[in-house]
Amino acid sequence: GDSVTQMEGPVTLSEEAFLTINCTYTATGYPSLFWYVQYPGEGLQLLLKATKADDKGSNKGFEATYRKETTSFHLEKGSVQVSDSAVYFCALSDLEAGTALIFGKGTTLSVSS
Amino acid sequence: DVKVTQSSRYLVKRTGEKVFLECVQDMDHENMFWYRQDPGLGLRLIYFSYDVKMKEKGDIPEGYSVSREKKERFSLILESASTNQTSMYLCASSFISRGAEAFFGQGTRLTVV
Repeated sequence: GDSVTQMEGPVTLSEEAFLTINCTYTATGYPSLFWYVQYPGEGLQLLLKATKADDKGSNKGFEATYRKETTSFHLEKGSVQVSDSAVYFCALSDLEAGTALIFGKGTTLSVSS
Repeated sequence: DVKVTQSSRYLVKRTGEKVFLECVQDMDHENMFWYRQDPGLGLRLIYFSYDVKMKEKGDIPEGYSVSREKKERFSLILESASTNQTSMYLCASSFISRGAEAFFGQGTRLTVV
């Protein structure tokens, strides 16, 4: 079945450092790809998404590009802030093929000042 | 604002009890989902529903059932609670369209003693 693999955490960075969180997927169809974020004590919320190959999703300084050839959707940010400390989840869905939203295991990011 | 509301933030139940977790959404979404979130395992899909009275098993349906009698409400039922069902339960909803964002409730922290 479809699946998502993302890098294990925790990731610990200093403020203003560059962030990359790797995400790869396996899918039989042509899924949409997402990054969700969960801040401490809160529910999940969408960070960004891409629905077709070579699309770049972006939000709040975060970016990810849908790479069909490498089946990847890596999350990047050029300069992280303490307020970015959270758990980040990569996910895919292919509702047209009957695949509900499937998540990776999550990566905890901790940013110190 | 889209709202997905879960009936309880915290629940403590005894082993063998029948437990109902309720979820209501106010956006007329077709899809509704139940996940459980455990440290190191991420979000795992229990069941989802794409229409009233319709349901599909996710990755870990054993020990759970669901009910969707109205479009806005999706219930998760633990027929006979066990200690290994102690977890955070998350409900979500979305439209059925490519790239549709899922909206999450705040979660129910269930402890089975």
